[in-house]
Amino acid sequence: QVQLLQSGAEVKKPGSSVKISCKASGYTFTTYTVSWLRQVPGHGPEWMGGIIPIFGAANYAQNFQGRVTITADESANTVYMELSSLTSDDTAVYYCARGRNNVPVFDYWGQGSLVTVS
Amino acid sequence: AIQLTQSPSSLSASVGDRVTITCRASQGIHSALAWYQQKPGKAPNLLIYDASNLESGVPSRFSGSGSGTDFTLTIGSLQPEDFATYYCQQAHSFPWTFGQGTKVEIK
Repeated sequence: QVQLLQSGAEVKKPGSSVKISCKASGYTFTTYTVSWLRQVPGHGPEWMGGIIPIFGAANYAQNFQGRVTITADESANTVYMELSSLTSDDTAVYYCARGRNNVPVFDYWGQGSLVTVS
Repeated sequence: AIQLTQSPSSLSASVGDRVTITCRASQGIHSALAWYQQKPGKAPNLLIYDASNLESGVPSRFSGSGSGTDFTLTIGSLQPEDFATYYCQQAHSFPWTFGQGTKVEIK
């Protein structure tokens, strides 16, 4: 079965960076998009960017351009998201999610990683 | 970015009720709309894609309709496990965006 397992909660200082991992299993890792989204309590999810591991190049939402880097390690079936220059506004639950290549919706999600900036 | 506006923001309903949630896009998106259900402390769960296609494993009491700018999610007969927050998401153009959510509570 498809599973996305994320790394644990993080507490970071303002101005620092955070890097979260998402290990995929149960499907062909290289051919599906993996996206990162974040969610502040009481709000809808916000798409940050995504990557198709076989191509390696990521695309990013303009809101995060220059601050977010998404990479993939095919040997480890793992996607990483690094967010820099953290502020308190970046406190949120961060999710990775698999996207369907023919229809850009998110059919499997990780369990979420809480990032607290304080 | 395409903005999605859901209404209502919250509603109270009873088990067995028919519930309708709407999602309006700031520009036409054809049928490129999905619906998700989210329960507290959990990740969203895909219910419907392409406006009206039911995701595998999702009960048939859930249905979606609409195209262009106006979309609807209907729960035919509300069950206890359906009390949750529902989000729409546009899959028409980058960046993919979500509505603000509709919380379905027990009356």
